[in-house]
Amino acid sequence: QKEVEQDPGPLSVPEGAIVSLNCTYSNSAFQYFMWYRQYSRKGPELLMYTYSSGNKEDGRFTAQVDKSSKYISLFIRDSQPSDSATYLCAMRPSGGYQKVTFGTGTKLQVIP
Amino acid sequence: ETGVTQSPTHLIKTRGQQVTLRCSSQSGHNTVSWYQQALGQGPQFIFQYYREEENGRGNFPPRFSGLQFPNYSSELNVNALELDDSALYLCASTLAGGAYEQYFGPGTRLTVT
Repeated sequence: QKEVEQDPGPLSVPEGAIVSLNCTYSNSAFQYFMWYRQYSRKGPELLMYTYSSGNKEDGRFTAQVDKSSKYISLFIRDSQPSDSATYLCAMRPSGGYQKVTFGTGTKLQVIP
Repeated sequence: ETGVTQSPTHLIKTRGQQVTLRCSSQSGHNTVSWYQQALGQGPQFIFQYYREEENGRGNFPPRFSGLQFPNYSSELNVNALELDDSALYLCASTLAGGAYEQYFGPGTRLTVT
């Protein structure tokens, strides 16, 4: 069983839709939770991070962490064609060196 | 742009050969991590260097090695290349004291034939 599970998609939505992306994990030591966006032929770009449980909002993006269920989510409101990319969840324990464990990524396509 | 550059962009090697990939970080980024990303997969942690010393390693064999230099540049060396080493190799640097903000380069795509 992988430490981090993520539905690879692809996920296709119409422009303006609300997108929900999710990951589950098994390692209860994970404390930092991140979402990265990766365009084709580019390196991952950090979108959001949260520490421990709770919600965080940044513009059209909202990240949620439920540590009791070992479940994290990223919501994208008013999705745009420019949001079309692969979204990677990532997480790491606190302290020590910064080994980050990534999900496989969900490919999102926003159709105009 | 993240300010992290990698070279070369693409590379084709033959099984059994050796390869060196390079990464240049921003000034003040004293931690660099290397990742392997196979097609359709998320990045897999190879190792991390802090102040020119390896301080963490993922499940990769010793033929994967690295160096970090005082000028914020680093190298990933892979010996005895295997077909399964074909992947996108990413380096990510972190500002001193940063806990989560890893800035990724665009990657080097390695093809082993």
